[in-house]
Amino acid sequence: KAGVTQTPRYLIKTRGQQVTLSCSPISGHRSVSWYQQTPGQGLQFLFEYFSETQRNKGNFPGRFSGRQFSNSRSEMNVSTLELGDSALYLCASSLGVEGYEQYFGPGTRLTVT
Amino acid sequence: EDKVVQSPLSLVVHEGDTVTLNCSYEVTNFRSLLWYKQEKKAPTFLFMLTSSGIEKKSGRLSSILDKKELFSILNITATQTGDSAVYLCALTGNQFYFGTGTSLTVIP
Repeated sequence: KAGVTQTPRYLIKTRGQQVTLSCSPISGHRSVSWYQQTPGQGLQFLFEYFSETQRNKGNFPGRFSGRQFSNSRSEMNVSTLELGDSALYLCASSLGVEGYEQYFGPGTRLTVT
Repeated sequence: EDKVVQSPLSLVVHEGDTVTLNCSYEVTNFRSLLWYKQEKKAPTFLFMLTSSGIEKKSGRLSSILDKKELFSILNITATQTGDSAVYLCALTGNQFYFGTGTSLTVIP
């Protein structure tokens, strides 16, 4: 069974631009969660989508948004990029049932200059 | 305030030693506790715990949860250099919470 895939793997953007990241979950998984990982803050939860609906949300500003499609693939968008948005963005998929055993993708390394 | 605290922050041991990593938490609407291993890439899943007192075991690794005292431990016996990594504890509740991790270094 193929794992979680994320595209692109690396991205360089400038301040003020916007970016869209993509995540394809493991086949059969209906939940996709997004995380931001930085050396200073560790892994921080952004949001979770389940069956095309946002089910949980972390404490990030509205510049961070996401969506999920009917095939469970998910996209995350960050608008008006700031230098502090430079991070590794990880998505994780799970069946979405009680317990939330999540499997992570390789991540997208975003650098904002 | 929901939080996950891992200790120690870092640990250096010699091959063959046994280590115990700790994770304490305060999470609203607890659903599960998960342990991950992260090397220089994305975290890889180790264990999921939902019930107190039931040990999960995989080879040299084992973990147990105490829902009354709100903590979990991850044990690694007969450590090897390949065990060097950051070990993350995560809680699922109203949202997902990760601890900052314990960095384990195993010296030959």
